[in-house]
This record gives sequence, C-alpha cells and structure tokens, in this order.
Amino acid sequence: KAGVTQTPRYLIKTRGQQVTLSCSPISGHRSVSWYQQTPGQGLQFLFEYFSETQRNKGNFPGRFSGRQFSNSRSEMNVSTLELGDSALYLCASSSGRNTGELFFGEGSRLTVL
Amino acid sequence: AQSVTQPDIHITVSEGASLELRCNYSYGATPYLFWYVQSPGQGLQLLLKYFSGDTLVQGIKGFEAEFKRSQSSFNLRKPSVHWSDAAEYFCAVEGLQAGTALIFGKGTTLSVSS
Repeated sequence: KAGVTQTPRYLIKTRGQQVTLSCSPISGHRSVSWYQQTPGQGLQFLFEYFSETQRNKGNFPGRFSGRQFSNSRSEMNVSTLELGDSALYLCASSSGRNTGELFFGEGSRLTVL
Repeated sequence: AQSVTQPDIHITVSEGASLELRCNYSYGATPYLFWYVQSPGQGLQLLLKYFSGDTLVQGIKGFEAEFKRSQSSFNLRKPSVHWSDAAEYFCAVEGLQAGTALIFGKGTTLSVSS
C-alpha cells in the first residue's frame, strides 16, 4: 500500500510570493491534516480536511489555506510569504475516525528568502 | 488548554543501555496519547498509542510506554537501545476538538554512543 506522498519535497521562494503544496493520502483515507514543523515552535497543527470539508483549524493567519478534492488529495497554499514561513510542512492522512492513527508523509521543506 | 511537555531536549545513551524518554501532558479528560519517531529527513512514524485499558502499551521496534494518570505522564521506554534508534521522538495528545488534530511536544533528540 503506497504511503503518503508530498510534492514538492523542496522549494525556495522569496518574500511576498505564494506557494502551493500537494499531498496524496493513503488510498482509502478520507482525512488529511497539515502540520508546520520549525526548530523553534516544533510541530504545529494547521488544519484538517475530511471528505472535502475543513473539520478543524489551528491558530494560523488567513494566509494559510487549504482544500481537499473528491479523491481525498489535498493542497495547502501560503500567500504573501514571510521569512518565518520557512519550515517543513508535513501532511498526514488517516481514516478520519477521531481516534485514528496518523500516517505522515516525508514533508515539503519550504525556504523563504 | 491541552499541552504536552517533553522535559529533555537531548539525551545520549550508550548502545545496549536502557532508555526512558519523559512526557507530561495537560488534558481535561482521559487522553489519547501517542509516541512518534522522526528520523532525519523523514516524516513521523507512530511507535505506539494509548486509548484506554492496560496502562502499559507495547509498540514497534521494542518500545513500550506507561500511562500514569496520577502523574499525568506517558513515558517511553526501551530496555536495550540500538544505534538505529537515534532519532527525534515526539509525544502527542489528541486535541479536544473534533477531528484528528494532535498536540505535540517539542521533541527529544536521542543520540546513541558506541
């Protein structure tokens, strides 16, 4: 069974630009969550989508957005990039049950210059 | 508010020695608790989880963890560490909101010396 696939793995952007990251969950999983990982703040929850609906949202500004498609693939977008957005963005998929295990992808490492 | 504290930022253990990584949580109800491991350049992999029942849970790679409600702790243990266990370890609790949001500790980096 294929794991969670995130693209791109690495990308470099400049301040003010926007970026879109993609996540393909494990086949059959309907929930996709996004986390931001930085050395200072650790792992922070961004948002979760389940059956194309945002079910949960962390404490991030509106520049961070996401969506989920009918095939459960998800994208997250960050607009007007700031230096502080440099991070590893991790996607996790699960069956969607509240007590389910999260399966993480390898992440997309974003560097903002 | 829910929170997870991992008091040790970095631990070094000799290969073959025992390991205990500490985790304390703050939660208003019976928590769902997890330990994840992250190797360099990789995503997170679930080691074990506690939902209810037996307070000593077994996981993959020879790891176990014990839930102690009175101490609000969920410490991870391994009797004999291997060099391949060097990684970053994260304790997490499931948030009270709907969905599968996890609240993670800041992590503990494990180094293994020969």
